[in-house]
Amino acid sequence: DVKVTQSSRYLVKRTGEKVFLECVQDMDHENMFWYRQDPGLGLRLIYFSYDVKMKEKGDIPEGYSVSREKKERFSLILESASTNQTSMYLCASSLSYLPGPAGYTFGSGTRLTVV
Amino acid sequence: AQSVTQLDSQVPVFEEAPVELRCNYSSSVSVYLFWYVQYPNQGLQLLLKYLSGSTLVKGINGFEAEFNKSQTSFHLRKPSVHISDTAEYFCAVLDGDGQNFVFGPGTRLSVLP
Repeated sequence: DVKVTQSSRYLVKRTGEKVFLECVQDMDHENMFWYRQDPGLGLRLIYFSYDVKMKEKGDIPEGYSVSREKKERFSLILESASTNQTSMYLCASSLSYLPGPAGYTFGSGTRLTVV
Repeated sequence: AQSVTQLDSQVPVFEEAPVELRCNYSSSVSVYLFWYVQYPNQGLQLLLKYLSGSTLVKGINGFEAEFNKSQTSFHLRKPSVHISDTAEYFCAVLDGDGQNFVFGPGTRLSVLP
């Protein structure tokens, strides 16, 4: 089975800090995604990447950037964390750009609190 | 743009009772439909999917869903729920032209003893 690992389950950071959320997948998937999950809003796409060093903005990229230097690793960066970025962050990967028959494989999530 | 509606944000139900979680999407010529489940403190897991063929789709853990094109719905059902089904359930829709993959806001299912 594909495994998507997010390095931290819980994080607490201060306003203004630079925050790195790491995600690693072990099945050579081309595509990786970062979502944030908020109550009543479901999942919203922040950024995705379809190849090494390639990235595309999702629906809510403001305040975030990403890095994909290696195929298996996709990092989400909060340049200057703010309290409105307190949320659950989910990483996902897939073999094709679109979910396709298998859908996405999700990590367990990182719950980030910015104080 | 495609949109997904899950009318019930929370559904409490007693153990062994049947349950239906509703999902409607905005009209599209063709779509692929998914239900994901998120257990407490975990990521999302694919429950079932509709790609083509039979409109009744069976998934894991005894869940099934029925695609209704005329009503643009993909409701999730289980005839008898267990405590372990307590989770949040997300409906997701992919346009047939592959341009748009959208999640609904989620329905929190609470199974009571």
